Amino acid sequence: GAGVSQSPSNKVTEKGKDVELRCDPISGHTALYWYRQSLGQGLEFLIYFQGNSAPDKSGLPSDRFSAERTGGSVSTLTIQRTQQEDSAVYLCASSLTSGEYKEQFFGPGTRLTVL
Amino acid sequence: AQSVTQLGSHVSVSEGALVLLRCNYSSSVPPYLFWYVQYPNQGLQLLLKYTTGATLVKGINGFEAEFKKSETSFHLTKPSAHMSDAAEYFCAVSGSGNTGKLIFGQGTTLQVKP
Repeated sequence: GAGVSQSPSNKVTEKGKDVELRCDPISGHTALYWYRQSLGQGLEFLIYFQGNSAPDKSGLPSDRFSAERTGGSVSTLTIQRTQQEDSAVYLCASSLTSGEYKEQFFGPGTRLTVL
Repeated sequence: AQSVTQLGSHVSVSEGALVLLRCNYSSSVPPYLFWYVQYPNQGLQLLLKYTTGATLVKGINGFEAEFKKSETSFHLTKPSAHMSDAAEYFCAVSGSGNTGKLIFGQGTTLQVKP
């Protein structure tokens, strides 16, 4: 079956614009995670969805960042009024259920460049 | 709070030589530990994980890691490096609670010389 897919693979935007990044998890996976990979900060957790539960947003760096997951499947990460420090690779992962030892399957990422 | 430290941002070995990538963790609860590999322009792929039980864990591509609680370490090894092992490697600990969010080390880039 298909793995986690993300779109677009690359996004170049101007400072101050809004961007939307999309993640399609593996079918049947109930848990979905967003991470950010940047040169200065390494790999950081952003947000986590599990079924119909309230998401864990503890990793979102500012209120410019938001995410939603519609119908328990596809997720969209939105960054408003982008800044140059938002430039990074945004990775999405999904797992069959949540839990400390459940393997997370990662997508190829979206490389965001803010000019 | 949990954290992961990977010693050495870059490691270079000759083809056929031993690979040793170091990882130390900090956790107030029994940790679940992972090693992921990232090839250029690709996502992360799980190499191996430690949850409970046997402390020596074998993974894909001939890699293994040993959980040493007394040393708070989870070093990754491979007896003989192959050119295809050149990639970036990340050690991670699962966050406390049941969300499963991963806390990553800074990563180690492995270079394999012919």
